[in-house]
Amino acid sequence: DGGITQSPKYLFRKEGQNVTLSCEQNLNHDAMYWYRQDPGQGLRLIYYSQIVNDFQKGDIAEGYSVSREKKESFPLTVTSAQKNPTAFYLCATNNGGADTQYFGPGTRLTVL
Amino acid sequence: QKEVEQDPGPLSVPEGAIVSLNCTYSNSAFQYFMWYRQYSRKGPELLMYTYSSGNKEDGRFTAQVDKSSKYISLFIRDSQPSDSATYLCAIPTGTYKYIFGTGTRLKVLA
Repeated sequence: DGGITQSPKYLFRKEGQNVTLSCEQNLNHDAMYWYRQDPGQGLRLIYYSQIVNDFQKGDIAEGYSVSREKKESFPLTVTSAQKNPTAFYLCATNNGGADTQYFGPGTRLTVL
Repeated sequence: QKEVEQDPGPLSVPEGAIVSLNCTYSNSAFQYFMWYRQYSRKGPELLMYTYSSGNKEDGRFTAQVDKSSKYISLFIRDSQPSDSATYLCAIPTGTYKYIFGTGTRLKVLA
């Protein structure tokens, strides 16, 4: 069953804690992306990775970190430096360029 | 000026109505245009993908691109309550980046 999985679906964090969101894909896509979605603001790019062991900052990378050690996996860490982390986080994959981006089901992060 | 603008709605229509959703964009170099549908608390799913100007039809859905006006539209015929969702326009910028509209929330009333 091909697709993109994100876990957990819901995540609660206390202020000052780091949390890691998981994104796994078995579509054999080269590129992976993390977006943040807030009401009325659309999707904003946090980080993206074109190939293993390489990644680039998107438009709102401050307070976030990523790694790409395997083609299938692109975890996102939300650090305590991120001032407003409560949001819906979406992972996407494609083979780059104008190729269709496919999205995972998302993780809702709430900071208490 | 934002690279892409989309009316956030919400838009409420009766079942069976024709729905028109629109985005405008600023860069005339853009060639590819997409529409995604996003149900509440889910990830977006691709609905339509068009290249350059013209129309593309898929069942009850028609995507239209007018490059001279930098205007893209999605029409839904015979709208159903199951069409209630947020619709996002998306434009690949030619690198690895997409730009997304803010999304239009649609509610189709039974």
